[in-house]
Amino acid sequence: EAQVTQNPRYLITVTGKKLTVTCSQNMNHEYMSWYRQDPGLGLRQIYYSMNVEVTDKGDVPEGYKVSRKEKRNFPLILESPSPNQTSLYFCASGRTNYNQPQHFGDGTRLSIL
Amino acid sequence: AQSVTQLGSHVSVSEGALVLLRCNYSSSVPPYLFWYVQYPNQGLQLLLKYTTGATLVKGINGFEAEFKKSETSFHLTKPSAHMSDAAEYFCAVSDINTGGFKTIFGAGTRLFVKA
Repeated sequence: EAQVTQNPRYLITVTGKKLTVTCSQNMNHEYMSWYRQDPGLGLRQIYYSMNVEVTDKGDVPEGYKVSRKEKRNFPLILESPSPNQTSLYFCASGRTNYNQPQHFGDGTRLSIL
Repeated sequence: AQSVTQLGSHVSVSEGALVLLRCNYSSSVPPYLFWYVQYPNQGLQLLLKYTTGATLVKGINGFEAEFKKSETSFHLTKPSAHMSDAAEYFCAVSDINTGGFKTIFGAGTRLFVKA
């Protein structure tokens, strides 16, 4: 089954404790992206990657890091999480052509206390 | 910069009534436009997309949208609402000025369907 898998689905942690949210896709997609969803703001793009070792900032990259060492994986790293990063996070993948839709994971709900 | 505006954060319709969800975008060139639906505790699923060609686009579950360049709009419609249509709907634009790799989403419209 074609899917984008995120882990964990839920996480409660404390300010300053480094965390990683993993994302993996099995569709051989070149393009992967991270979004955060906040009430009234829709989805905002954090980082995206056009292919292995190629990443770029979205609209809200501050406080986040990403890496793309393998085509299928695109982890999101919060080196020193803060309460304003409490949000619902989605990973997505797609073909590189900009007229192609994205396939989304089921989301990771992060609470930073 | 590109922006997407969805008019109405909440829309309520009766079962069987017309569904109309509004989306306007800002772009100096025709963008690539998408509608996604999000059911509770799930990720987003593609409803339909406009790239080029016919301006009336049909999607899944009986939804369709019409691209109107003169109005910079891409409104989503369904002739007859069903209870299962209750969800949150997002309009999105691919920003071709950055090679299309940035995607801008609207704030979303939550659709309620009354029995």
